[in-house]
Amino acid sequence: DAMVIQNPRYQVTQFGKPVTLSCSQTLNHNVMYWYQQKSSQAPKLLFHYYDKDFNNEADTPDNFQSRRPNTSFCFLDIRSPGLGDAAMYLCATSREYYNEQFFGPGTRLTVL
Amino acid sequence: KNEVEQSPQNLTAQEGEFITINCSYSVGISALHWLQQHPGGGIVSLFMLSSGKKKHGRLIATINIQEKHSSLHITASHPRDSAVYICAVDNTDKLIFGTGTRLQVFP
Repeated sequence: DAMVIQNPRYQVTQFGKPVTLSCSQTLNHNVMYWYQQKSSQAPKLLFHYYDKDFNNEADTPDNFQSRRPNTSFCFLDIRSPGLGDAAMYLCATSREYYNEQFFGPGTRLTVL
Repeated sequence: KNEVEQSPQNLTAQEGEFITINCSYSVGISALHWLQQHPGGGIVSLFMLSSGKKKHGRLIATINIQEKHSSLHITASHPRDSAVYICAVDNTDKLIFGTGTRLQVFP
């Protein structure tokens, strides 16, 4: 089945220890999004790619970086996680802008 | 004031009840999305609409562009409908999310 896959589902890291979250899609969609969602809050867009074009949200901390080596994969790198970065990280894709977005199951990040 | 407002924030219902969740927005949009999120889970897209009404099973979504308002209805609600329902609007190249409505349906 075509889908959006995120790995791992749960990630535990130590304060300051770099971590990478991955997202892959079999939908061949042009746009890939990374969202951060904290408890009882709406998802917050961190950045997105249209194909290889990277679009960073103005208020996304420099601590967060992203890579999209090909159409199918996108990575979220957190260089020095702080306690405030503990959250659910959601990846989503859409064929084009203004299209339906398909979400992955999320990666729950815990920072000790 | 949030650009996308939902009401109510929390909703409880008995199984079988008809449920309505409302969404109002203050920005220009190209489309409105209704999303469902189960506890600890990912998000599922329920509807994307830019006019009129859509129906899928027991779910119905309507939108009134002039009034900048949308409603999500659930007929014959069931405990498995318990989730957070999120309204989001397409504005420029990203979604603006409402704060969500937490629905609990009891047997």
